[in-house]
Amino acid sequence: KAGVTQTPRYLIKTRGQQVTLSCSPISGHRSVSWYQQTPGQGLQFLFEYFSETQRNKGNFPGRFSGRQFSNSRSEMNVSTLELGDSALYLCASSPSRTGVEQYFGPGTRLTVT
Amino acid sequence: AQSVTQLGSHVSVSEGALVLLRCNYSSSVPPYLFWYVQYPNQGLQLLLKYTSAATLVKGINGFEAEFKKSETSFHLTKPSAHMSDAAEYFCAVSDANSGYSTLTFGKGTMLLVSP
Repeated sequence: KAGVTQTPRYLIKTRGQQVTLSCSPISGHRSVSWYQQTPGQGLQFLFEYFSETQRNKGNFPGRFSGRQFSNSRSEMNVSTLELGDSALYLCASSPSRTGVEQYFGPGTRLTVT
Repeated sequence: AQSVTQLGSHVSVSEGALVLLRCNYSSSVPPYLFWYVQYPNQGLQLLLKYTSAATLVKGINGFEAEFKKSETSFHLTKPSAHMSDAAEYFCAVSDANSGYSTLTFGKGTMLLVSP
């Protein structure tokens, strides 16, 4: 089976712009989660979607949003980018109905200048 | 709220030596526990998981971990380190209160392997 894929792999944006990141889960996985990884804060949970519904949300401002499509593919959007949003954004999918046991993609490296 | 503490941001071993990476967790309800490995410029790879079955869990690449409820620990071990094991290792916890899909990670431990 193909693993979790994320596009694009690298992205450079300017402060104030918005960005959309895409994630395709492993075939058959209906749970998709997003994480932010930075050197200072480490790995932090953003949100999780299951069957097109946001089921859990981390402690991030409303500028961070996401959605899931009927084919389980997911996107996350960050509006009004700040320098501190520079990070590796990781998507994970789970074969479990509860979302436990997550398999991660390679990530999208976002740099905000 | 759940939390994870990984003792030692860096651990150095010689090739062939025992690897021991420490993880302690905090959870008010029975947890699920995970170890992930991250190589440079890559995502996280699941090494092993504890989901309330056997307390000694075997994973990929010769790694194993033991869940000890009394010590709230889930330390990762490997009998003999290989150069290819050099990477960053993350311990993670989830539970019913926070949502099983909400992984809380430790800060990570960088494993350095010398010849």
